[in-house]
Amino acid sequence: KAGVTQTPRYLIKTRGQQVTLSCSPISGHRSVSWYQQTPGQGLQFLFEYFSETQRNKGNFPGRFSGRQFSNSRSEMNVSTLELGDSALYLCASSPEGLRNIQYFGAGTRLSVL
Amino acid sequence: DQQVKQNSPSLSVQEGRISILNCDYTNSMFDYFLWYKKYPAEGPTFLISISSIKDKNEDGRFTVFLNKSAKHLSLHIVPSQPGDSAVYFCAARDTNAGKSTFGDGTTLTVKP
Repeated sequence: KAGVTQTPRYLIKTRGQQVTLSCSPISGHRSVSWYQQTPGQGLQFLFEYFSETQRNKGNFPGRFSGRQFSNSRSEMNVSTLELGDSALYLCASSPEGLRNIQYFGAGTRLSVL
Repeated sequence: DQQVKQNSPSLSVQEGRISILNCDYTNSMFDYFLWYKKYPAEGPTFLISISSIKDKNEDGRFTVFLNKSAKHLSLHIVPSQPGDSAVYFCAARDTNAGKSTFGDGTTLTVKP
């Protein structure tokens, strides 16, 4: 089985722009979660989607949003980018019945200039 | 407030010896705990987990211990190998809330 695929791997944007990141979960996994990893904050939970519905949300401003499609692929959008949004964004999927165990993609490294 | 803490940012051990990585948590609602390993330029990889109804889980060279009264868990790697050199993250879950809270990670270096 292919693992979790995130695209693009690297992205450079400027302040004020918006960005969309993509995540394809492992085949058959319907739960997708997003995390932000920064050197000072570790991995911070953004949100979780299951069957196209947001199931949980972390403590991030409304500039961070996401969605999930019927094929379980997920996108994350950040609007009005700030310098502090520079981070590694990780997507993880979980199989049904084993929601506690997450399989991560390699991440998208976002740099905001 | 940081609900999951890994107080040692780094740990260095000799090949063949035991590596012990520690993690403390504060939220009593956490009922499932996991360890992930992360190599540079890769996402975290699931290593081993433990439910709050157990106090020990073993998988090959890896053993996780949970002390609920102390709100402490540890990962033992025996024997340590150079390929174990990576960043190790401890994660705790409230399965009802359905989200994982991660520690900041401990960088393990296993010297040949």
